[in-house]
Amino acid sequence: DVKVTQSSRYLVKRTGEKVFLECVQDMDHENMFWYRQDPGLGLRLIYFSYDVKMKEKGDIPEGYSVSREKKERFSLILESASTNQTSMYLCASSPPGLAGVSYNEQFFGPGTRLTVL
Amino acid sequence: AQKVTQAQTEISVVEKEDVTLDCVYETRDTTYYLFWYKQPPSGELVFLIRRNSFDEQNEISGRYSWNFQKSTSSFNFTITASQVVDSAVYFCALSTANAGGTSYGKLTFGQGTILTVHP
Repeated sequence: DVKVTQSSRYLVKRTGEKVFLECVQDMDHENMFWYRQDPGLGLRLIYFSYDVKMKEKGDIPEGYSVSREKKERFSLILESASTNQTSMYLCASSPPGLAGVSYNEQFFGPGTRLTVL
Repeated sequence: AQKVTQAQTEISVVEKEDVTLDCVYETRDTTYYLFWYKQPPSGELVFLIRRNSFDEQNEISGRYSWNFQKSTSSFNFTITASQVVDSAVYFCALSTANAGGTSYGKLTFGQGTILTVHP
């Protein structure tokens, strides 16, 4: 079974802190994604990565950065946390497609509920 | 731009009732895939189904069925004889290739529908 794990289920941080959210998958997937989930807005893509050290912005990248130094690990970084970044953060991974086109299902982690005070 | 709309924010039914969750999508691409995911209270999204834009056949899996109609850009999900365990948030999602022909599997999600099934 594909397993996607996230470092924390719940996290409380203070405004201005640098926050790291870690995600690890064990199925050798090339593609990894970070979403945030807010009531009434569904899931919105923050960043994704299609290979080690490769990353692309999603729909709402402002205030976030990512790091992918190893294939199995994809980190989301909040450089200076703000209260409007209080949210549920979900990581996902998926196998690659052909020539950059993939329609494979994504496998999700359990999520990290981040509260910024 | 791609867009997915789930107009039903919350649905409440009594066990054994049938319930349909609506999903309407927008895309200019001719090749795309549609997905449904279930998010139980534990939080982890669970994949339910994927359908490509060239296959309009309806699909049935146990108590679940899906109706894909390109003419109305809809991909609706019906649960027959609902059960308490069906209580969850359900998301419809769309995947297309961008103008450069790549997608990497990016998904555009709808707002989600909270389904509560009462005993």
